[in-house]
Amino acid sequence: DVKVTQSSRYLVKRTGEKVFLECVQDMDHENMFWYRQDPGLGLRLIYFSYDVKMKEKGDIPEGYSVSREKKERFSLILESASTNQTSMYLCASTGPSNTEAFFGQGTRLTVV
Amino acid sequence: QKEVEQNSGPLSVPEGAIASLNCTYSDRGSQSFFWYRQYSGKSPELIMFIYSNGDKEDGRFTAQLNKASQYVSLLIRDSQPSDSATYLCAVNWGFGNEKLTFGTGTRLTIIP
Repeated sequence: DVKVTQSSRYLVKRTGEKVFLECVQDMDHENMFWYRQDPGLGLRLIYFSYDVKMKEKGDIPEGYSVSREKKERFSLILESASTNQTSMYLCASTGPSNTEAFFGQGTRLTVV
Repeated sequence: QKEVEQNSGPLSVPEGAIASLNCTYSDRGSQSFFWYRQYSGKSPELIMFIYSNGDKEDGRFTAQLNKASQYVSLLIRDSQPSDSATYLCAVNWGFGNEKLTFGTGTRLTIIP
């Protein structure tokens, strides 16, 4: 059974904190993605990676960075958390044919 | 910026009827198209993908693609209460370009 696992289901952080969201996939997929999902705005792409140490900005990269040191792990970093980063964060991965994106269970982040 | 547009709904359909969900996209060069279903509080899961113009059927679901009109739709026949969910349209902008962009989703409610 394919698996994309996010490190936390719920997180509460304070404004200004550095926040790490971790995602691990066990399908040997090349491509990994970080999205945030907000009511009325749908899924918006933050960053994606198509190979180890490679990353590309998505549509809303401001305030975020990513790290991909190993193929199976893709981390999203909030350098200095702000209240407008309160959201549901979803990690996904796809294989070379890109026919299906598998999603993690999501991390609901609240910044107070 | 490449865009994917969906009517946010809510769309209400009687049980047993056909539900029709629509999506338009901005880039004529788009190559592959996906429909995801997302239940409340859950992650998106793939229902269907389509690459070629025309219809593709899978059980009660039919995806329709018209590249000339930049339009993709999902039909759900014999709608069931379990089909009540948010349906997300997603577009991959080209083979080799792994960026997957989602619409905002259409909330579908099947009325028993």
